[in-house]
Amino acid sequence: GAVVSQHPSRVICKSGTSVKIECRSLDFQATTMFWYRQFPKKSLMLMATSNEGSKATYEQGVEKDKFLINHASLTLSTLTVTSAHPEDSSFYICSALTSGSSFFGPGTRLTVL
Amino acid sequence: GNSVTQMEGPVTLSEEAFLTINCTYTATGYPSLFWYVQYPGEGLQLLLKATKADDKGSNKGFEATYRKETTSFHLEKGSVQVSDSAVYFCALRSGGSNYKLTFGKGTLLTVNP
Repeated sequence: GAVVSQHPSRVICKSGTSVKIECRSLDFQATTMFWYRQFPKKSLMLMATSNEGSKATYEQGVEKDKFLINHASLTLSTLTVTSAHPEDSSFYICSALTSGSSFFGPGTRLTVL
Repeated sequence: GNSVTQMEGPVTLSEEAFLTINCTYTATGYPSLFWYVQYPGEGLQLLLKATKADDKGSNKGFEATYRKETTSFHLEKGSVQVSDSAVYFCALRSGGSNYKLTFGKGTLLTVNP
């Protein structure tokens, strides 16, 4: 139980385009999901907390207009990287919270050319 | 603010060797401490946790003890296996209801037969 999926697993896009990443809790409902960004040889950096039915809470230094988060249902949160640039290339990981524990998706590798 | 420092990798061991991955933390209050493991191509999985001082978390032969006096949560295993090859992340979560995790940079462990 407590499986979290992400789609796509890898995406390559051109600079200036927008990319949407989905995070789904497959066998449980999650009112709270988290989005992380992981740079090579660095820790996971929390970007934002996604709350079902309300606005996301962004960490300091994360541009909310750049990284749009929508948590429209209890099993789905989406992260849209708008007008992507090469510096947005990274590994994006989501987690979903249930019963006080966080369960992680496998991550999405974004490469912006 | 909160921070987690874990030993730099990579760590390469032979099968049946003893493993220690050091982790120290800085946090306000009384955090909960975690070790997560990420196997190749998979998402992070909770390996073990401890919620108060002197607690010992254990799972799959791995152990870590919450040491408040040294602000440490070192991961140990007496005899590693090839299947233990993965990236290990130390993390903390402060008290309160936001459930945000702060991660270390991760340590890559490779176990050779």
